[in-house]
Amino acid sequence: AQTVTQSQPEMSVQEAETVTLSCTYDTSESDYYLFWYKQPPSRQMILVIRQEAYKQQNATENRFSVNFQKAAKSFSLKISDSQLGDAAMYFCAYSTGNQFYFGTGTSLTVIP
Amino acid sequence: DAMVIQNPRYQVTQFGKPVTLSCSQTLNHNVMYWYQQKSSQAPKLLFHYYDKDFNNEADTPDNFQSRRPNTSFCFLDIRSPGLGDAAMYLCATSRGVYSNQPQHFGDGTRLSIL
Repeated sequence: AQTVTQSQPEMSVQEAETVTLSCTYDTSESDYYLFWYKQPPSRQMILVIRQEAYKQQNATENRFSVNFQKAAKSFSLKISDSQLGDAAMYFCAYSTGNQFYFGTGTSLTVIP
Repeated sequence: DAMVIQNPRYQVTQFGKPVTLSCSQTLNHNVMYWYQQKSSQAPKLLFHYYDKDFNNEADTPDNFQSRRPNTSFCFLDIRSPGLGDAAMYLCATSRGVYSNQPQHFGDGTRLSIL
């Protein structure tokens, strides 16, 4: 069975600092997709960044980047220059041909 | 702006009284999903439509049904809500199912059961 694990239920970061959220997954597939979604309090879930498993280069979107380690089945999210608006629940997600799974989420607090 | 709209934002119903939640989209995506999200938990996929094809998750209770009368609209029907069905219900759309295409989410409907 495919599962997505986020081992950090809660994280905090000082404003303007860098934080890394971890995610590991279990799969026997070779082709799949990975995502990080952000869900601010009482607001809609939005896509932060995505990664195709066949691409070796780590995805980057402005202050957000991933460290994708396929052999280790690890997909961490790095947020640089953290801002107050980054405070949210972050979900790692896995998708393949016929399945989609969210991780349990990491609640990120940004300290002014 | 193209978007996913869920109505109502908050819904209160009585134990055992049927309730319908609605979702509409202007993205013209062929896939629509319904998720149940309980407090501090990950969203749990209930089912999805690929065009008119309905796909139920294996562990979705029979109490939950869905209708998609056209591309733009999708409904979640809870036939006899129990206290355990109190949750946030999220609708999402995507261009392809289980693909590299991201899902676009609505604001959700928070369902309370009296």
